[in-house]
Amino acid sequence: IQMTQSPSSLSASERDRVTITCRASHNINNYLNWYQQKPGRAPKLLIYAASSLQSGVPSRFSGSGSGTHFSLSIDSLQPEDFATYYCQQSSSTPFTFGGGTKVDI
Amino acid sequence: VQLQESGPGLVKPSETLSLTCSVSGVSITNFYWSWIRQSPGKGLEWLGYIYYSGSTDYNPSLNSRVTISLDTSKNLVSLKLISLTAADTAVYYCASLGASSDFWGQGTLVTVSS
Repeated sequence: IQMTQSPSSLSASERDRVTITCRASHNINNYLNWYQQKPGRAPKLLIYAASSLQSGVPSRFSGSGSGTHFSLSIDSLQPEDFATYYCQQSSSTPFTFGGGTKVDI
Repeated sequence: VQLQESGPGLVKPSETLSLTCSVSGVSITNFYWSWIRQSPGKGLEWLGYIYYSGSTDYNPSLNSRVTISLDTSKNLVSLKLISLTAADTAVYYCASLGASSDFWGQGTLVTVSS
């Protein structure tokens, strides 16, 4: 299953709202996860099952979608949110990731 | 929970890569354990996973070059990748993926070069 993210990068300012989209090549129901990765660090799970917030993740992060179209939104961007975001499908193996969206200032 | 990958940082083309992941804070008899890699400046690629029962699933893109195993006595997860090429140069992560088990190592850089 191919995962296509858009945009590949975006520039934003603190307190902006940003939305990243992810499209699956096949129906994956809600088996969609979102990760945040900062330089030199391992990815961190933000959203699982398309819209469930992982424990400890700020509520300004939200996910939506099902089937083949998904989105991650970040309300009121904070300095620590500038990072690269990946979607990942866990519907079937091989698990696959989107190409990433780099959010910078 | 902590995961620590270890292994050679430099491997020659055509040789075999062996990495180990030492897991502490949780028994590896819980959860599925994956290896994931990230080529320099590129995205993430799932290599495969193993469950404590010994059940494995590998990414077909690796053309049967990968083997993942467990040592439950030492709480270790291991990766073996054969017939290396420059395209295998990447940071290799061990991880347990999932809402109740989002555990990742810090990653180890492996460079394939003569």
